[in-house]
Amino acid sequence: AQKITQTQPGMFVQEKEAVTLDCTYDTSDPSYGLFWYKQPSSGEMIFLIYQGSYDQQNATEGRYSLNFQKARKSANLVISASQLGDSAMYFCAMREGQGAQKLVFGQGTRLTINP
Amino acid sequence: GAVVSQHPSRVICKSGTSVKIECRSLDFQATTMFWYRQFPKKSLMLMATSNEGSKATYEQGVEKDKFLINHASLTLSTLTVTSAHPEDSSFYICSARFPVGASDTQYFGPGTRLTVL
Repeated sequence: AQKITQTQPGMFVQEKEAVTLDCTYDTSDPSYGLFWYKQPSSGEMIFLIYQGSYDQQNATEGRYSLNFQKARKSANLVISASQLGDSAMYFCAMREGQGAQKLVFGQGTRLTINP
Repeated sequence: GAVVSQHPSRVICKSGTSVKIECRSLDFQATTMFWYRQFPKKSLMLMATSNEGSKATYEQGVEKDKFLINHASLTLSTLTVTSAHPEDSSFYICSARFPVGASDTQYFGPGTRLTVL
C-alpha cells in the first residue's frame, strides 16, 4: 500500500491566489513526521515545512501552512498569495517511528502559477 | 544554516567507466546521509543510508557492489557508480540529516545528473 498519496499530478493556479496541495498518508505508528519539499526545475529539493504527529497546532512557515487533519490522515500544504516562483514540483514525505530516519515520498504534484 | 553541496552537478561518461559523486554538509556535521535516485517526472527513490564510520545500508533491489558508498567523515559521503551503463543514467541526489529539534530534517544537495553514453 502507498504510504504517501498525492492525488493531484498537476495544479494550475492564478498568481496571488491561494492553493492547496493534497497529501494523505498511511501509518499505524503513533509517532511520525510529515514534510513538504519543493523541487524547482533546477532539481534541488527545498525543505518547506514540518508537522509532527503530536503537534497540537498546524505548522506555519511564512506563506506556507500545513492543514494537518490527523483523524483523516491528511497533511495538505497551503500556499497563500501564490507567486510565479512557486511553480515547481511539490513532494509530501513521511518519517515513521521514533528515532526513524528514512523518508518516504509521495509521487509529487506539479504546480504551475499563471500570471 | 543546513547547506548541502553536491559535486559534480552534471557528468557525462562512457559505458564501463566509474563515476564518483560527492555530497558535503557545509555548515553542520552529518552522521547520516542518504542517497536517492530520481527518474524523469518521478519521485525520489531511496538507494541507501550512509552512516559515518560504518557500512551503508542499502534498500532492497539496490546493488551494493555497483553503487559504492563511503562516509569517511562527518561532512562527506561519496557515491561511486561502478562500471556505469546507460541504464544508470539518472538524477542522483543526496541529503544530510540535520538532527536539531523535533523535525530532524533532511536537507538536500542540488543533485547530480549522470548521463552514460
